[in-house]
Amino acid sequence: QSALTQPPSASGSPGQSVTISCTGTSSDVGAYKYVSWYQQHPGKAPKVMIYEVSKRPSGVPDRFSGSKSGNTASLTVSGLQAEDEAEYYCCSFAGGISVFGTGTRVTVL
Amino acid sequence: EVQLVESGGGLVQPGGSLRLSCTASGFTLSTNWMHWVRQAPGKGLECVASKNFDGTEMFYVDSVKGRFSLATDNAKNSLYLQMNILKPEDTGVYYCARDLGSGSAFWGQGTMVAVSS
Repeated sequence: QSALTQPPSASGSPGQSVTISCTGTSSDVGAYKYVSWYQQHPGKAPKVMIYEVSKRPSGVPDRFSGSKSGNTASLTVSGLQAEDEAEYYCCSFAGGISVFGTGTRVTVL
Repeated sequence: EVQLVESGGGLVQPGGSLRLSCTASGFTLSTNWMHWVRQAPGKGLECVASKNFDGTEMFYVDSVKGRFSLATDNAKNSLYLQMNILKPEDTGVYYCARDLGSGSAFWGQGTMVAVSS
C-alpha cells in the first residue's frame, strides 16, 4: 500500500505539452487496467480526467491522454492552457483498496 | 443530479472517536464501489476505506485497520465511516467518493477532521 511515485512538478508554456509519469508495482499499476488520473485545483475536490488507463470521461478535453507500460502509467496534457494549472494525481486499483500517486504540480508558465 | 454530501467532521482529542456520514442522491450507493479518501493539510490523497459494489467486502489501508470501520444504510442511501482511537496523523479533509476507477467517478466536497489536544 505504498503511494505511487510521481514527479513533484512539471511545467510548460501555453500550447506546449507536459507528460507526468506514475510508477507503481506489479501489484497495482502493472496488474490492473483501473488506472485513473485526477485533477485538483486548490480548495476543490478532485475531478477524474482519465480512467481505465486511457479513457476520457465526457466533457474532458481531448488534450488529455493516458497510457501505461508495465508498472508505469503516464498522463500527457497537450496544448497547455492556463486552466490546466493544478495538482494531478494518478490512482490505481490494488486489489481492494486503491492507491494514489504522490501528486504532481503542473505550472503553466 | 448526482450529489454526495459529507458531514460529521470536527475537532476531537487524540484517542477520541468521530462518525462521518456521506449521503448520496441521484444514484444508489449500495450498488457502487464507494470510498473514503483523506487529504492531510498541504498533502496528497490517500484512500483509507472502500466497499465493493454490493457491500460484501470492505477494505482498509493498513494505517487505519482495527480503528476505522465502514457501514451503510440503504434506506438512507448513506455511507458511514466510524473512526476510533483517532491520532493527530488522521487530521485532514475526508472525501466520500464513488467508483474511483471509472469514468463516473464522483466526489463530495469533503468534511474536515482535526485531531488535536
